Amino acid sequence: QVELQQSGPGLVKPSQTLSLTCAISGDSVSSNSAGWNWIRQSPSRGLEWLGRTYYRSKWYNDYAVSVKSRITINADTSKNQFSVQLNSVTPEDTAVYYCARGRVGLVGDYLDVWGKGTTVTVSS
Amino acid sequence: SYVLTQPPSVSVAPGQTARTTCGGDNIGSKSVHWYQQKPGQAPVLVVYDDSDRPSGIPERFSGSKSGNTATLTISRVEAGDEADYYCQVWDTTSDHPVVFGGGAKLTVL
Repeated sequence: QVELQQSGPGLVKPSQTLSLTCAISGDSVSSNSAGWNWIRQSPSRGLEWLGRTYYRSKWYNDYAVSVKSRITINADTSKNQFSVQLNSVTPEDTAVYYCARGRVGLVGDYLDVWGKGTTVTVSS
Repeated sequence: SYVLTQPPSVSVAPGQTARTTCGGDNIGSKSVHWYQQKPGQAPVLVVYDDSDRPSGIPERFSGSKSGNTATLTISRVEAGDEADYYCQVWDTTSDHPVVFGGGAKLTVL
């Protein structure tokens, strides 16, 4: 049974960096059949996909255009986890952040396992 | 950017059938996935690839697609089914390939 355990601070000051980690149990971050995603949810934006990392003989990353200049998603194979860093945060980045495993469907990916979510507030 | 349109709410009495829709351009060429989200919890996948169910999801949950509309059907609705339901597709022409609908709130009367 795959589980994702999220960790990271719930409060970040404006202009600083949001950092969250998602530890994987029951699967490998280096799996050739999964992708490792970050999604956030806020009342104003709904569910918003931020990006993913995945391994297919080498590492790849995809990012949403809306955050592409500020986001980095990395995998740590030694700890079997992946992380997100979002730079230069503003109050608009206040949201519940989720990590999720992506699986390849008939046309593109779906997200079959989710972390419990981390509420991140951007405030001084 | 690709847009998925969901009616914001649907209401049904216990034991009845609930249907909620998801519309988008050329959705027939995409795979539609559905998620259930209860208050304070993470989304849970209930249907993937239009009509397949993950293990552990009751047969009461089913998905279908016709023309430019996908439908999630919940048969014999129970009080515990009250939740928000989101559709999702993969669209490589969008600013982000994972596209979610705005969600539909199912109220069990």
